[in-house]
Amino acid sequence: DAGVIQSPRHEVTEMGQEVTLRCKPISGHNSLFWYRQTMMRGLELLIYFNNNVPIDDSGMPEDRFSAKMPNASFSTLKIQPSEPRDSAVYFCASTSVRTDTQYFGPGTRLTVL
Amino acid sequence: GNSVTQMEGPVTLSEEAFLTINCTYTATGYPSLFWYVQYPGEGLQLLLKATKADDKGSNKGFEATYRKETTSFHLEKGSVQVSDSAVYFCALTNTGGFKTIFGAGTRLFVKA
Repeated sequence: DAGVIQSPRHEVTEMGQEVTLRCKPISGHNSLFWYRQTMMRGLELLIYFNNNVPIDDSGMPEDRFSAKMPNASFSTLKIQPSEPRDSAVYFCASTSVRTDTQYFGPGTRLTVL
Repeated sequence: GNSVTQMEGPVTLSEEAFLTINCTYTATGYPSLFWYVQYPGEGLQLLLKATKADDKGSNKGFEATYRKETTSFHLEKGSVQVSDSAVYFCALTNTGGFKTIFGAGTRLFVKA
């Protein structure tokens, strides 16, 4: 299995630009999670989906952030407009009803100048 | 609500020293307990887990025992290596749930 796939691995953009992060979960997993990690705030859960439906988006920092999961094999996290304080590593993770273990992708390191 | 508290780092040890990272939890029901490890530049990965009281999870020389009476899941290793330098996260998932609650993480440095 290829594991959770995230793209891009690194993204550098300027303040005000739109940023789209992508995630492909492990095949057969029906739950998907987006996290943000920074030195100051640690690992934060932003949103999670079950069977492609958003269950809890209370961790999304503000309206500039949005996430979609159009099908079981793809999810996006969009930031529009981006700000320097959004600079962080963004992780996607997936799991299934057969396991309670989360499988993390390698992360996308976002830098907003 | 559910929560996980783990000891603050960083923890700095010499190679072959004994490691303990404390973790306590608060949860309703009967959660599964986990230790995840994050190596530099990578995502978190499962190190070990235990699904019921008195279970011991083990992997790569690391061990942790699910103690319901003390609501703890302390991570131990008898002899650490430089390659164990990483951030360690204690976590729980409640029965029937798919959301995992993570602790703040403890950074471990092992010196040669």
